[in-house]
Amino acid sequence: ETGVTQSPTHLIKTRGQQVTLRCSSQSGHNTVSWYQQALGQGPQFIFQYYREEENGRGNFPPRFSGLQFPNYSSELNVNALELDDSALYLCASSWDGAGGRETQYFGPGTRLLVL
Amino acid sequence: SQQGEEDPQALSIQEGENATMNCSYKTSINNLQWYRQNSGRGLVHLILIRSNEREKHSGRLRVTLDTSKKSSSLLITASRAADTASYFCATDAGTSGSRLTFGEGTQLTVNP
Repeated sequence: ETGVTQSPTHLIKTRGQQVTLRCSSQSGHNTVSWYQQALGQGPQFIFQYYREEENGRGNFPPRFSGLQFPNYSSELNVNALELDDSALYLCASSWDGAGGRETQYFGPGTRLLVL
Repeated sequence: SQQGEEDPQALSIQEGENATMNCSYKTSINNLQWYRQNSGRGLVHLILIRSNEREKHSGRLRVTLDTSKKSSSLLITASRAADTASYFCATDAGTSGSRLTFGEGTQLTVNP
């Protein structure tokens, strides 16, 4: 167990809808990252939040957005869903400090299916 | 885009044998990490090796890193059926936060 939880575990949406995925980080971790993993592929970095500010973004359009809250929780929002958004969405929490980067701990993921 | 490439894509061995997986990457890195994933679920962190380290051990795992060749290998000794999973290498380039760039993974099957 990594101490990182995600909800919901599975979700079915239709094209054009909006979705919010949630993540609860390990207590004390100041950084959360979100990844998209298509079937049969490795995870792709979406973006990262550090102390509630976006701190880096991968090659994803603006309809992918996020929030990080002071209570170690975070959200990934996707607007105008497309069929290709069907994937496993993973969040990972870590501690980034002056001592350097630490291991990222992943949640179990939310599997999103867009019909 | 994927930075790392794992080799082989799939590996099938018998219980008790050793399994070796390789990873190559393209840019300079801050560290390299190996993860395991069972049946499309969450990733489990196995080991992290920093760019100034050459070898690291953790239980039955041995990781090597050759920054001159931009490559790493993961060795699992005395494999067990429970080691059956997908294994991914991920690099942290040390820029713009601690984003990880993953390869496409090696599917390991350990037959009892």
